[in-house]
Amino acid sequence: AQRVTQPEKLLSVFKGAPVELKCNYSYSGSPELFWYVQYSRQRLQLLLRHISRESIKGFTADLNKGETSFHLKKPFAQEEDSAMYYCAPPRSNYQLIWGAGTKLIIKP
Amino acid sequence: DTEVTQTPKHLVMGMTNKKSLKCEQHMGHRAMYWYKQKAKKPPELMFVYSYEKLSINESVPSRFSPECPNSSLLNLHLHALQPEDSALYLCASSREPSTDTQYFGPGTRLTVL
Repeated sequence: AQRVTQPEKLLSVFKGAPVELKCNYSYSGSPELFWYVQYSRQRLQLLLRHISRESIKGFTADLNKGETSFHLKKPFAQEEDSAMYYCAPPRSNYQLIWGAGTKLIIKP
Repeated sequence: DTEVTQTPKHLVMGMTNKKSLKCEQHMGHRAMYWYKQKAKKPPELMFVYSYEKLSINESVPSRFSPECPNSSLLNLHLHALQPEDSALYLCASSREPSTDTQYFGPGTRLTVL
């Protein structure tokens, strides 16, 4: 069965520190992977997609097919990065499998 | 207009009521989605409409009835809901019904008494 795992429910880092949110997936095809973000009181929105390299707010993610991972990284965290982050690879019917999410808290 | 809009923002209904949620987009997207999101959980896909036809129903109970009157509008009709149906209902759209970026509405916060 296709799965996605975000092992950290909660991640807390200090402002200015590097951030890495982990995502591991199982998918038999060539994956088009997404990261979506939900800021407090805002709508769910795309943060980054693998195939187009679209990204906002300085985040990057590298697809590692060997490890089947798509970890999200940012070199210097900002307080406004505090949010809920979801990794979402596709299923075979093209719909998304949503990871459980990681709540990121940036401490001042 | 580059947003997905949803009305109402909040809805409180009794278990015997009939109500509807509305979603609209004017981006020319041909796929529209309903999701249910419980607190601190990821969205759960309910329905997908592709070119105004229902293409995916994720085994949703019949007390939820989707409708797509035209390419810009998506409704979710609610009848005889249970308290456990209380959640945030999200609508989304994408350019094509494939692995395309989904654009989400702000959601309708539903409370079933």
